[in-house]
Amino acid sequence: SAVISQKPSRDICQRGTSLTIQCQVDSQVTMMFWYRQQPGQSLTLIATANQGSEATYESGFVIDKFPISRPNLTFSTLTVSNMSPEDSSIYLCSVRGLSGANVLTFGAGSRLTVL
Amino acid sequence: EDQVTQSPEALRLQEGESSSLNCSYTVSGLRGLFWYRQDPGKGPEFLFTLYSAGEEKEKERLKATLTKKESFLHITAPKPEDSATYLCAVQAGLRRSGYALNFGKGTSLLVTP
Repeated sequence: SAVISQKPSRDICQRGTSLTIQCQVDSQVTMMFWYRQQPGQSLTLIATANQGSEATYESGFVIDKFPISRPNLTFSTLTVSNMSPEDSSIYLCSVRGLSGANVLTFGAGSRLTVL
Repeated sequence: EDQVTQSPEALRLQEGESSSLNCSYTVSGLRGLFWYRQDPGKGPEFLFTLYSAGEEKEKERLKATLTKKESFLHITAPKPEDSATYLCAVQAGLRRSGYALNFGKGTSLLVTP
């Protein structure tokens, strides 16, 4: 089955800084999704990234805070900008269709701690 | 607004003690209900998709069922390696992204020897 790699796996960041998370898929996919998993909360979709077009953001998430790039069909990045402790979370990349038409496959996640 | 509620939040079982996890949902136009397993430090791993009321799917000690309002994940004679967080998600229509899964908070299962 296809592999999704995320980097970094974890990081500790200072308040006010920005961090970019990378997601690499070993096959070409049309849609890539970025989720956030805060402690004790459900997985929440941040945005959908399609190659060749701007990302579509869910309610409560904005491009200035979470800019996304999708330069090709196997790669995407999510930047968490001007971080605060409330941004401490696990960020997960996922793709659709690798294990079934409507099934999402997830990366291992990037655990960010903001001090 | 779509809602997915999982219960219980946490469950502790003895090895071999069967039980069920519940996922209640309210969505406009269910297109699929998904069960995932998540181990600490890992991303969710797909288990099942259910599409219509009455549908059932099985995999080893796990069996998922679906009604019009809820889904159950039945665990028969669990083993310690079944310990994980089990996530339920629904796919509904009419999302901005055109496709998205709406997740519950999960049930944390611990199976002790």
